[in-house]
Amino acid sequence: EPEVTQTPSHQVTQMGQEVILRCVPISNHLYFYWYRQILGQKVEFLVSFYNNEISEKSEIFDDQFSVERPDGSNFTLKIRSTKLEDSAMYFCASSQGNQPQHFGDGTRLSIL
Amino acid sequence: AQSVTQPDIHITVSEGASLELRCNYSYGATPYLFWYVQSPGQGLQLLLKYFSGDTLVQGIKGFEAEFKRSQSSFNLRKPSVHWSDAAEYFCAVAPQGGFQKLVFGTGTRLLVSP
Repeated sequence: EPEVTQTPSHQVTQMGQEVILRCVPISNHLYFYWYRQILGQKVEFLVSFYNNEISEKSEIFDDQFSVERPDGSNFTLKIRSTKLEDSAMYFCASSQGNQPQHFGDGTRLSIL
Repeated sequence: AQSVTQPDIHITVSEGASLELRCNYSYGATPYLFWYVQSPGQGLQLLLKYFSGDTLVQGIKGFEAEFKRSQSSFNLRKPSVHWSDAAEYFCAVAPQGGFQKLVFGTGTRLLVSP
């Protein structure tokens, strides 16, 4: 079965540094998402992306965050200047639209 | 605003016993409803979904869920739990249309005792 793949599985970064989290969605999917899960808390929506633009974003997704689909296969989340509170598990998901979202295994981001 | 409530933070069930995990949602119309499972260190795997039609839906791994509009509930059930079912279970909703954000509950951690 096709999968959403995320790299790296674990990223350690110094506070204030930029980080890029990478995702390869399922190939025929058109809608892409990022979610985050702070340790011990629920999964929270960050942003959705369709037709090369952001469809919706949450209040968490401020100017420090950006998303990009640089080519036909990758979907990236960039955090410009990381803060301690950005430490979380970040999940990428993709969907065909009117179908359930499929999630990757996540990238654990640790900010030191 | 949409919200999802999973009132049980932890549940412990004996292996072979039945299981019911509760989920209530708050939304203006009937949303799309989902249950996802997360094993430790893993991503979210879809167990089942409700879009419309038959209110009892079957999923993978022997799970089922029943949508009750009058109670705004979508409880997950399994008749006989296996040790491998120990994981965190998340209920989620999305507006009809599906290609919008999922709103998740806080999750229920299932422990299975021998």
